[in-house]
Amino acid sequence: QSTLKESGPTLVKPTQTLTLTCSFSGFSLSTSGVGVGWIRQPPGKALEWLVVIYWDDDKRYSPSLKSRLTITKDTSKNQVVLTMTNMDPVDTATYYCAHRPDRYGAFDIWGPGTMVTVSS
Amino acid sequence: QSVLTQPPSVSGAPGQRVTISCTGSSSNIGAGFDVHWYQQLPGTAPKLLIDGNTNRPSGVPDRFSGSKSGTSASLAITGLQAEDEADYYCLSYDSSLSGWVFGGGTKLTVL
Repeated sequence: QSTLKESGPTLVKPTQTLTLTCSFSGFSLSTSGVGVGWIRQPPGKALEWLVVIYWDDDKRYSPSLKSRLTITKDTSKNQVVLTMTNMDPVDTATYYCAHRPDRYGAFDIWGPGTMVTVSS
Repeated sequence: QSVLTQPPSVSGAPGQRVTISCTGSSSNIGAGFDVHWYQQLPGTAPKLLIDGNTNRPSGVPDRFSGSKSGTSASLAITGLQAEDEADYYCLSYDSSLSGWVFGGGTKLTVL
């Protein structure tokens, strides 16, 4: 059974850099086709896809946020790290990481999410 | 404003059938990209309900079904139950935006 869990700060100040870690088990990011993505959801609003990284280190970023995002993976630790620079109050949201079985499928298994508030 | 348009809300009585639409364009659903559906219960992470337009993952009741035609897709729920009250989202890929896009979400109320 595959599981994912997000971790990181619950509060960041405007202009700071956010670093979130997705720790997972039950699958490997060295398996052909597999990916891990990040999706966020502001309070009371819709889901927004941010980025995905695949087993071969291929990375796809949301064009609207590409300049602020960096995603990396540590296959040996079963972790994926997301950094987002220049945080703003509008970035306040629950951030989810999710497993993708291949480049054509859905994000099928999600972590519980972590709420990040941007405030001074 | 999402490129995938969903009705903000739908409602139905227990036992009834409801449908939720997801309307896109020629750069996403109309281009042949798959549509996936998620159910989000209050305070929880989204759960995959329909994968690849019509496929139900293991454990999803057959009361839930998906379809796709042209530039739109639909999620149908039959035999509505109180536990179905949740937010529902569609997801697809958009070639113009070069990324995955979610619909704006639909809140289902069971009367």
